Amino acid sequence: DAGVIQSPRHEVTEMGQEVTLRCKPISGHNSLFWYRQTMMRGLELLIYFNNNVPIDDSGMPEDRFSAKMPNASFSTLKIQPSEPRDSAVYFCASSLALTVSNQPQHFGDGTRLSIL
Amino acid sequence: KNEVEQSPQNLTAQEGEFITINCSYSVGISALHWLQQHPGGGIVSLFMLSSGKKKHGRLIATINIQEKHSSLHITASHPRDSAVYICAVRGSGGSNYKLTFGKGTLLTVNP
Repeated sequence: DAGVIQSPRHEVTEMGQEVTLRCKPISGHNSLFWYRQTMMRGLELLIYFNNNVPIDDSGMPEDRFSAKMPNASFSTLKIQPSEPRDSAVYFCASSLALTVSNQPQHFGDGTRLSIL
Repeated sequence: KNEVEQSPQNLTAQEGEFITINCSYSVGISALHWLQQHPGGGIVSLFMLSSGKKKHGRLIATINIQEKHSSLHITASHPRDSAVYICAVRGSGGSNYKLTFGKGTLLTVNP
């Protein structure tokens, strides 16, 4: 049973470059989450999709960040232009419909992003 | 003040010891999660609970809704238990999708 798949696992790039992080949720899950983890702030929700529609993007730091979910099996998080303060680990998670009952979130292995 | 507070921040134990990690929260919740993260690794959900107690192997999680407090216990700790343990609370009502995380407890179990 494949879990949440994120790519790349590691990304190192220079500031100003565009960065695209990818996520494939678990098949059948219709809730998808993007999180950012830093030493200072811990884990924070960036954006939440339900049935491919963004429901809550209040955690997206600024206009340089954008996220899409073109279909049920794929999502991207894009940073353009990237800055050194964007360096963090970015996690994608998915779950079954939250309206059914409390459902656990399944996390990917994360993308470790370093902006030089 | 953070909505989710964990203690201790760091914990070092000898193999075989009984471990307790605490989590207090200040908001209404629909559920509480305990997560495990190994260094450089992904995040694994250990427990999700909204009342009482759950047990899985050597791990036990309890929650007291009235006191807004949860504990994670590890019996007969082992070096492979070394990881960061994160408490997260799920909002209630219209925010029941949202997890708010504690800063985590770094556990090191020495052989």
